[in-house]
Amino acid sequence: RKEVEQDPGPFNVPEGATVAFNCTYSNSASQSFFWYRQDCRKEPKLLMSVYSSGNEDGRFTAQLNRASQYISLLIRDSKLSDSATYLCVVNLPGKFYFGSGTKLNVKP
Amino acid sequence: DAGVIQSPRHEVTEMGQEVTLRCKPISGHDYLFWYRQTMMRGLELLIYFNNNVPIDDSGMPEDRFSAKMPNASFSTLKIQPSEPRDSAVYFCASSRQGYEQYFGPGTRLTVT
Repeated sequence: RKEVEQDPGPFNVPEGATVAFNCTYSNSASQSFFWYRQDCRKEPKLLMSVYSSGNEDGRFTAQLNRASQYISLLIRDSKLSDSATYLCVVNLPGKFYFGSGTKLNVKP
Repeated sequence: DAGVIQSPRHEVTEMGQEVTLRCKPISGHDYLFWYRQTMMRGLELLIYFNNNVPIDDSGMPEDRFSAKMPNASFSTLKIQPSEPRDSAVYFCASSRQGYEQYFGPGTRLTVT
């Protein structure tokens, strides 16, 4: 079983829609969690860290569910510019795991 | 503050040649990571350093790959001899205390 799993998508949504991605992890000892965004032919860029209490940054909300071992990313009022691949990252002591990414296409 | 710097940005070489990729991490970061990304295999962690010491090189594909970090501001990834299957984008990333990682722009390597 992979350490981190994501639905590869693509998720095709219209502008203005709300879309959510999940990322499941296998090791209950996982300590820190992040969401990254990667545009085509670019490097991954940190979108947001995921805190136990959940956190919000504008249209983006990240949540952590330790009991079910997943993190989620919610994007509200999606924009064309949100089209990208979204990668989750799960860290254990001395170990760093990237998911394979979920592709989002926002259509006009 | 400058981000992670990688060079070269593009490298085209012939099979059998030596390739050296370079990385300058963000000042003050104590972790440095080397990744490889392909369409087929996604983003793979090759090796990471903590305070210039290699900690986990289990992702290095084979002996043709080697990485060094002689000081806190410089690291290299070397492939010798290169093969066509090494063609990929190689990213360097750095972080403070192993938390958020910040990526460089990558080196696009093509081995013919």
